[in-house]
Amino acid sequence: GAVVSQHPSWVICKSGTSVKIECRSLDFQATTMFWYRQFPKQSLMLMATSNEGSKATYEQGVEKDKFLINHASLTLSTLTVTSAHPEDSSFYICSARDLVSWREGRETQYFGPGTRLLVL
Amino acid sequence: KNEVEQSPQNLTAQEGEFITINCSYSVGISALHWLQQHPGGGIVSLFMLSSGKKKHGRLIATINIQEKHSSLHITASHPRDSAVYICALRVVGATNKLIFGTGTLLAVQP
Repeated sequence: GAVVSQHPSWVICKSGTSVKIECRSLDFQATTMFWYRQFPKQSLMLMATSNEGSKATYEQGVEKDKFLINHASLTLSTLTVTSAHPEDSSFYICSARDLVSWREGRETQYFGPGTRLLVL
Repeated sequence: KNEVEQSPQNLTAQEGEFITINCSYSVGISALHWLQQHPGGGIVSLFMLSSGKKKHGRLIATINIQEKHSSLHITASHPRDSAVYICALRVVGATNKLIFGTGTLLAVQP
């Protein structure tokens, strides 16, 4: 099946630093990638939707200047948490929509393994 | 009221038991996903349903659009099925957004 990878799988950083998380679709092209955040014992919450070559669409309450998203190719999207603070500590998950399936009218979304961020 | 509710929140079963997890929702949907999240956090998409029933191995998912209800069944459960099972809705008119349930934590004991 299709695989989505995330790197790093976990990161610990000091408050005030920036952290970049990569999301890659390994064997398919992703027209759209989604970034989610999950706090302990809570549901996944969509942060933003990124389409290749265009600006990301952020959900209400998500600061676009704090969570920078770049989707430079059909296989790579990055999320940068700028000036991270302890309240940004969370589990960040990306998912990717398969371009071929989407064009065929089949909605297929594959999830990455997640990145656990701890800000001290 | 939440748009999507799962029951039970926690479920403990003995190996071999038949398991049912329920998902009820209150909005119009174009599709419903069942996802499995393992303790490490990684998520696997199990099913995407817009009507009827799907089966994959020991897993069966059904959906009743009129009743706004879906069930995930696991036959002959095994300890490796222990995970959080999440139902997620694709709301009509919101093609990008999935609304996630809070999940059902399943523990299958040997």
